[in-house]
Amino acid sequence: AQSVTQLDSQVPVFEEAPVELRCNYSSSVSVYLFWYVQYPNQGLQLLLKYLSGSTLVKGINGFEAEFNKSQTSFHLRKPSVHISDTAEYFCAVSAGPDSNYQLIWGAGTKLIIKP
Amino acid sequence: GAGVSQTPSNKVTEKGKYVELRCDPISGHTALYWYRQSLGQGPEFLIYFQGTGAADDSGLPNDRFFAVRPEGSVSTLKIQRTERGDSAVYLCASSLRELGTADTQYFGPGTRLTVL
Repeated sequence: AQSVTQLDSQVPVFEEAPVELRCNYSSSVSVYLFWYVQYPNQGLQLLLKYLSGSTLVKGINGFEAEFNKSQTSFHLRKPSVHISDTAEYFCAVSAGPDSNYQLIWGAGTKLIIKP
Repeated sequence: GAGVSQTPSNKVTEKGKYVELRCDPISGHTALYWYRQSLGQGPEFLIYFQGTGAADDSGLPNDRFFAVRPEGSVSTLKIQRTERGDSAVYLCASSLRELGTADTQYFGPGTRLTVL
């Protein structure tokens, strides 16, 4: 079975500073990895996903994530955050082609941008 | 185009009552998922439909929960004899379910269920 751990429930960071949101997963099979964002009072929106190939994945709004198989991590990064990045970020994993692609989720990390 | 829609956006009910939550997926999406998100937690898988059939209902917590998708489009999640512990945001997602790849799941805004 898969599981996802987001190590920080909240990450405060100053505007224009870099940020990293951490995500670790456990799985006995190949997985697909996702980051979703939930802005206040809105639904979940896909930021980026890793399926295969290059371990560095670029997403929307200047975010990127790196898949590290040996460390079973998929940390999300942005070099310079803006106030509009204030949201909750969720890491998720789904099993490979023999699964139904249901997503297993972390508990979320709230990104708090300080002006 | 139109995204996934869910109705109602909020539902307040009393313990023991029956509720129905509706999901309208993106047109043409064959896969439909229901998730439940409790306060301070990530979403939790409930059930997956491929077309009209429930391909995996292993996430339904007990037999008070049931979902249907009779024509392969709109889905209804039904909860009988609601309990206070059922209070959560119920999320619906749909996807094209292209073979051999993990296609993107598009989420609706959710229905916030409060059981008093």
